[in-house]
Amino acid sequence: GAVVSQHPSRVICKSGTSVKIECRSLDFQATTMFWYRQFPKQSLMLMATSNEGSKATYEQGVEKDKFLINHASLTLSTLTVTSAHPEDSSFYICSAKGYRGRGLAGDSSYNEQFFGPGTRLTVL
Amino acid sequence: KNQVEQSPQSLIILEGKNCTLQCNYTVSPFSNLRWYKQDTGRGPVSLTIMTFSENTKSNGRYTATLDADTKQSSLHITASQLSDSASYICVVSARFSGGYNKLIFGAGTRLAVHP
Repeated sequence: GAVVSQHPSRVICKSGTSVKIECRSLDFQATTMFWYRQFPKQSLMLMATSNEGSKATYEQGVEKDKFLINHASLTLSTLTVTSAHPEDSSFYICSAKGYRGRGLAGDSSYNEQFFGPGTRLTVL
Repeated sequence: KNQVEQSPQSLIILEGKNCTLQCNYTVSPFSNLRWYKQDTGRGPVSLTIMTFSENTKSNGRYTATLDADTKQSSLHITASQLSDSASYICVVSARFSGGYNKLIFGAGTRLAVHP
């Protein structure tokens, strides 16, 4: 498989502040990164998809001005939650797919995505 | 509507016992089906991935089956261990024209293995 990391693993902030979450592909070039949100006892919900060097594509109902996504390099994407409020408290998970060397990272037959360990955001 | 439904919602078993988790899907056009294990507070980790031509795939004590005709999949865990306690998520990938893939997530089955 391939390795995706996230930082920080957990963050607590005051209402109204902005929080940045980093997602890195450690051993492959991530041409596409995905950001998910997961509320307790629920499954992952896709928020947005970003391709390196392009603007992110947001899912319906996700505010692009509130959740700023930057995918400026092939190994790093950031999600910034602006003016966070308690209802933004959630578990944020990124995933990525791309290339390692001349081949796809992962099995090309399956178009694999590799998930990060998640970031727990708590807004007080 | 593309949907993935899992059952049971939660399950408690004793250590050493076997169990089977179910996944039904209505996803089109189907590309592949994945089972992930998600520990509490962690990201999902892939267990198996199968295309429509693959009926069964094993990964250690985990064995997944796929019936593309009935659109059903199962994940069988043998000789369960305490560390198997987690959520197991069935995910179906839909592949659209232009190579665009979208993952459809099930709600997961929360498994608790008790000593």
